[in-house]
Amino acid sequence: SAVISQKPSRDICQRGTSLTIQCQVDSQVTMMFWYRQQPGQSLTLIATANQGSEATYESGFVIDKFPISRPNLTFSTLTVSNMSPEDSSIYLCSVWGHNEQFFGPGTRLTVL
Amino acid sequence: EDQVTQSPEALRLQEGESSSLNCSYTVSGLRGLFWYRQDPGKGPEFLFTLYSAGEEKEKERLKATLTKKESFLHITAPKPEDSATYLCAVLGPNDYKLSFGAGTTVTVRA
Repeated sequence: SAVISQKPSRDICQRGTSLTIQCQVDSQVTMMFWYRQQPGQSLTLIATANQGSEATYESGFVIDKFPISRPNLTFSTLTVSNMSPEDSSIYLCSVWGHNEQFFGPGTRLTVL
Repeated sequence: EDQVTQSPEALRLQEGESSSLNCSYTVSGLRGLFWYRQDPGKGPEFLFTLYSAGEEKEKERLKATLTKKESFLHITAPKPEDSATYLCAVLGPNDYKLSFGAGTTVTVRA
């Protein structure tokens, strides 16, 4: 199994600012995934991050708003830029293990 | 596009009262159907993967089954600690992206 940690675990931010979320995995993985879970909703995939290439974004998500870095095989960051209250969500990092997808504990973001 | 629908949205049970959660899916070429448990403020915790119709898996009071159109998560004699949101997700044939349902929130009262 993969152990995933995220920083910060939660934050309260002002609108118009940016927050960078870090994701660290205890093993090397090719793909890392970033999800958003809005209050009372299920998980929506934001993008897939591969080491050495640009992230692949899902429909409705753009690089200018959610820039992603993937400097090595165990680490990734997601930045939420120019935040608005609608960005208040839990942001989750995940990776595939043997035959299952593991999730980090999430970052709870509140935008005022 | 893959579609996953879970029902009911919420389920309130008395301790010991068995019940089932439903996950209906539409995907061409299912490579796996996944069940997760999510506690408030935490990331989803993996429970089961089912690969083909007729397959069943069990873990403690939980049993997952799969047909060609839907999956059921049976909770037998639930306890208050089984209270959580249960998420269903499918993996299609062409990539490594999971498509999630909206979840069923289960509350078990002592």
